[in-house]
Amino acid sequence: QQKVQQSPESLTVSEGAMASLNCTFSDRSSDNFRWYRQHSGKGLEVLVSIFSDGEKEEGSFTAHLNRASLHVFLHIREPQPSDSALYLCAVRKGGSALGRLHFGAGTQLIVIP
Amino acid sequence: DPKIIQKPKYLVAVTGSEKILICEQYLGHNAMYWYRQSAKKPLEFMFSYSYQKLMDNQTASSRFQPQSSKKNHLDLQITALKPDDSATYFCASSQDRHSGNTLYFGEGSRLIVV
Repeated sequence: QQKVQQSPESLTVSEGAMASLNCTFSDRSSDNFRWYRQHSGKGLEVLVSIFSDGEKEEGSFTAHLNRASLHVFLHIREPQPSDSALYLCAVRKGGSALGRLHFGAGTQLIVIP
Repeated sequence: DPKIIQKPKYLVAVTGSEKILICEQYLGHNAMYWYRQSAKKPLEFMFSYSYQKLMDNQTASSRFQPQSSKKNHLDLQITALKPDDSATYFCASSQDRHSGNTLYFGEGSRLIVV
């Protein structure tokens, strides 16, 4: 059973400072990794997808995947107060259908002006 | 404007009753899904449909029945409701079930069973 864990549970940063979020997964066959965010009471917004080791940048969001260490990171460059939200890591186990994603519990990011 | 519409946004139901959660997507996608987010738990996969056919089912209980009357609709019927069914139910869709395609989510239907 795939386990996805995120840390920290909560992160407070000042506006403009880099925010770094961590996600670890347990299944080495995992091949599809996405970061979503969820503003309070809203749906999930996809931020960045990554499928191979290395980095993938989408705007101010950079995902970094290291499959050997079972980690995928999200770095947020110069976050704004509007980036305050719950950030979710989603992982697909290799061989499973696309729709069957395993999510972490999330990191609550608070960006202080 | 939201491209995945879920109704109702909030719902309070009595134990033992039956409710239907509505989902419509206007993204032209062929695959649709249901996920559940219970208190203190991560989002968890429930069902996947492709071209209106059930492809994958993680939910053990037969009380949860997806219904697809049109390609862009995937409703979720829940019967004999229990307090443990209280959660936010998210509908999602993707172009198809290819591994490279992104899932897009609706804003959720928050169900409270009393």
